[in-house]
Amino acid sequence: KNQVEQSPQSLIILEGKNCTLQCNYTVSPFSNLRWYKQDTGRGPVSLTIMTFSENTKSNGRYTATLDADTKQSSLHITASQLSDSASYICVVSPNSGYALNFGKGTSLLVTP
Amino acid sequence: EAGVAQSPRYKIIEKRQSVAFWCNPISGHATLYWYQQILGQGPKLLIQFQNNGVVDDSQLPKDRFSAERLKGVDSTLKIQPAKLEDSAVYLCASSLDRNSYGYTFGSGTRLTVV
Repeated sequence: KNQVEQSPQSLIILEGKNCTLQCNYTVSPFSNLRWYKQDTGRGPVSLTIMTFSENTKSNGRYTATLDADTKQSSLHITASQLSDSASYICVVSPNSGYALNFGKGTSLLVTP
Repeated sequence: EAGVAQSPRYKIIEKRQSVAFWCNPISGHATLYWYQQILGQGPKLLIQFQNNGVVDDSQLPKDRFSAERLKGVDSTLKIQPAKLEDSAVYLCASSLDRNSYGYTFGSGTRLTVV
């Protein structure tokens, strides 16, 4: 069973609108949680990384939140742009540092 | 700083043929990973190297997949013989150490098996 679940699976929004992507995980113990953006045909690019003690991290129009008690994270995108169309992947790293746990991603399409 | 380099970018082969992918990690990154990403799914770890030693290859289909990292720098991933279900993007990533700091992905190689 996948230890990282993302929702929604896909999302379509109008340019300029905000959106929030969700990530629930069961990985324990927990070291850090990352959000990646993956454009079609490209490798994932890191947006944010948060450790256990952090509950929010921003990178431009991207803001990630983390609730380690409920094991939930969200990625909020403000004032979306066409270039935000991509897959957003939540990745959780256990304390061992051996293997990252990947979600299946949320496919975001921003339309004019 | 140069990123993780992978080649080729695309490859189309017939089933039962062989194929090899190459990865050059970020300079100084001791840990190197190969992932398989099937369309619509998240990446799945195939093998992890620490310098030139294998740390984890539990999900590598060893009957057809092999990987090596000679001298602890560049790495190659080989599939022989390829099957239709091997069609995927093969991602290489590297990090400073096994704690995954500075984790960076390459652009991937898109393999199509026909």
